[in-house]
Amino acid sequence: QLQLQESGPRLAKASETLSLTCTVSSGSIGSTSHYWGWIRQTPGKGLEWIGSISSSGSAYYNPSLRSRATISVDSSKNQFSLKVTPVTAADTAVYYCARPIGSAAAGQGWFDTWGQGTLVIVSS
Amino acid sequence: DIVMTQSPDSLAVSLGERATINCKSSQSLLYSSDNKNYLAWYQQKPGQPPKLLIYWASARESGVPDRFSGSGSGTDFTLTISSLQAEDVALYHCQQYYIAPWTFGQGTKVEI
Repeated sequence: QLQLQESGPRLAKASETLSLTCTVSSGSIGSTSHYWGWIRQTPGKGLEWIGSISSSGSAYYNPSLRSRATISVDSSKNQFSLKVTPVTAADTAVYYCARPIGSAAAGQGWFDTWGQGTLVIVSS
Repeated sequence: DIVMTQSPDSLAVSLGERATINCKSSQSLLYSSDNKNYLAWYQQKPGQPPKLLIYWASARESGVPDRFSGSGSGTDFTLTISSLQAEDVALYHCQQYYIAPWTFGQGTKVEI
């Protein structure tokens, strides 16, 4: 069964870069036409989709992050990554990687598999 | 962006009773070309990621108990738990995948 696991620093300094990696196991990123996504959760704003990327590296983002987010994929390592810069306290959240499926359109659909999530705290 | 609004924010239901959660979208999620509603429901327990329950507004994910059902069309949707069990205490979210950016409701907390 497909599994996703987030990893990366739990702390980030304001105005610097948040970096997270999602490792895919029991499945290959590169062998399918799936997209892979990042979602974050804060108590105040609930769940927020950040962006998604295909196995070939085509990415699209939520405009709410105002071009601060970059998602990349490394098929050789079966991983995809998220960078957000510059970060502020408002970026403090639990970050999830997840797989969207269900529709023929690029990355469109529901999220059927999620990582356990990792809390990232942005400090000043 | 499509705004998803859930109601109520929280509800308390007795064991064995029905729980009903509403989700309203700011525009229709019914795609005319396939006559499908692009809406999903998730359950989230404390310290866990969301778990998919329902997609296409009413299709139950494999392994989800049949006491969970989804209904509605267009802009108004409902998740019903027909007979609440102790393990159903959780936060429930709706999500639209009609048009990017994909957006979620604010969540509804179900308690006993």
